[in-house]
Amino acid sequence: ELKVEQNPLFLSMQEGKNYTIYCNYSTTSDRLYWYRQDPGKSLESLFVLLSNGAVKQEGRLMASLDTKARLSTLHITAAVHDLSATYFCAVVGGGSQGNLIFGKGTKLSVKP
Amino acid sequence: DVKVTQSSRYLVKRTGEKVFLECVQDMDHENMFWYRQDPGLGLRLIYFSYDVKMKEKGDIPEGYSVSREKKERFSLILESASTNQTSMYLCASLTGGTKGGYTFGSGTRLTVV
Repeated sequence: ELKVEQNPLFLSMQEGKNYTIYCNYSTTSDRLYWYRQDPGKSLESLFVLLSNGAVKQEGRLMASLDTKARLSTLHITAAVHDLSATYFCAVVGGGSQGNLIFGKGTKLSVKP
Repeated sequence: DVKVTQSSRYLVKRTGEKVFLECVQDMDHENMFWYRQDPGLGLRLIYFSYDVKMKEKGDIPEGYSVSREKKERFSLILESASTNQTSMYLCASLTGGTKGGYTFGSGTRLTVV
């Protein structure tokens, strides 16, 4: 059974600081997704990582994938309050229908 | 851009009622999904459908059923609503191409009283 674990689950950080969120998954997968969710809202796609060594960046967020270690990271650079949200990673589960298995999410709070 | 529309943002229903949650996507996608989201439990897959009239159970199908009569519409049905089905329900459609992954609807927050 595929399991996806994120850590930390809660993260409080000050503006201007850097931090990394980790996403481990238990079986091989060649595709990993990162989503953002604002309070009371739905999930918004951030990144899709398609191969080992893939790196994607948008603004202060950078995601990477190491398929051999079954690890993805989401790095936050010089955090700002607008990045406060819950971040989910997800991996394609078994079967051909593309169902995603999600981590439990990391709730990020950026304080001034 | 793909659009996934859930018909209600907030619903309040009574215990024992039959509840229909509707989801429509506008990009002719085959695969659609229903999740529920609860604090501390993350997103859990209820049902998914990979074609019209085709459905498969996810991880927590008990107490739910689904209907996919047309490709664009995937409905989640709570046969007899119970208080433990109070939750946020998220519909998603599978997006292909280089982006891949899901496009989510805006969610329905259901409260069963």
